[in-house]
Amino acid sequence: DAGVIQSPRHEVTEMGQEVTLRCKPISGHDYLFWYRQTMMRGLELLIYFNNNVPIDDSGMPEDRFSAKMPNASFSTLKIQPSEPRDSAVYFCASTRQAGELFFGEGSRLTVL
Amino acid sequence: AQSVAQPEDQVNVAEGNPLTVKCTYSVSGNPYLFWYVQYPNRGLQFLLKYITGDNLVKGSYGFEAEFNKSQTSFHLKKPSALVSDSALYFCAVRDMVSYIPTFGRGTSLIVHP
Repeated sequence: DAGVIQSPRHEVTEMGQEVTLRCKPISGHDYLFWYRQTMMRGLELLIYFNNNVPIDDSGMPEDRFSAKMPNASFSTLKIQPSEPRDSAVYFCASTRQAGELFFGEGSRLTVL
Repeated sequence: AQSVAQPEDQVNVAEGNPLTVKCTYSVSGNPYLFWYVQYPNRGLQFLLKYITGDNLVKGSYGFEAEFNKSQTSFHLKKPSALVSDSALYFCAVRDMVSYIPTFGRGTSLIVHP
């Protein structure tokens, strides 16, 4: 298995632009998580899905953030409009029921 | 609510010496406990987990962790550290009902040659 695949690995954009991050979870996994990692706040859970349905989005910082999972093999995290304080590494992770999480390599976002 | 504490931001150890990275937790009921490692510019990688059974859990790369219910701890250990073990280590806990783990802030392990 190729593991959790995220794209892009790096994104540099200007304030106000729309950013879309993509994730392909491991086949057969029924939970998908989006995390954000910064030096100041560590690892933050933004939202998670179970069987493609969003379960808890209380970690999404603002309405500028949205996430979708149209099918079991694809999820997106969108920021519109982006701001410099959104600069961080965004991780996608998946798991099957009670198991450990499998993380992607992350998408490093820089908003200028 | 569940929580994890990693009391040390950084642990320094000489190569060849034993290492310990500390973790304490709080959870309702029996815990599921995990350790992950993150190398620079990489995602978190699973090292080991405790669900039930023996209190000493063995994992990848020679790491092990000891579950101590009375002290609510799950410290990560390795008998002989390698320079390549230098990385950021995360402890995580979840209860038996929620599938959502809570992560600690992470501990930076630095192994000196």
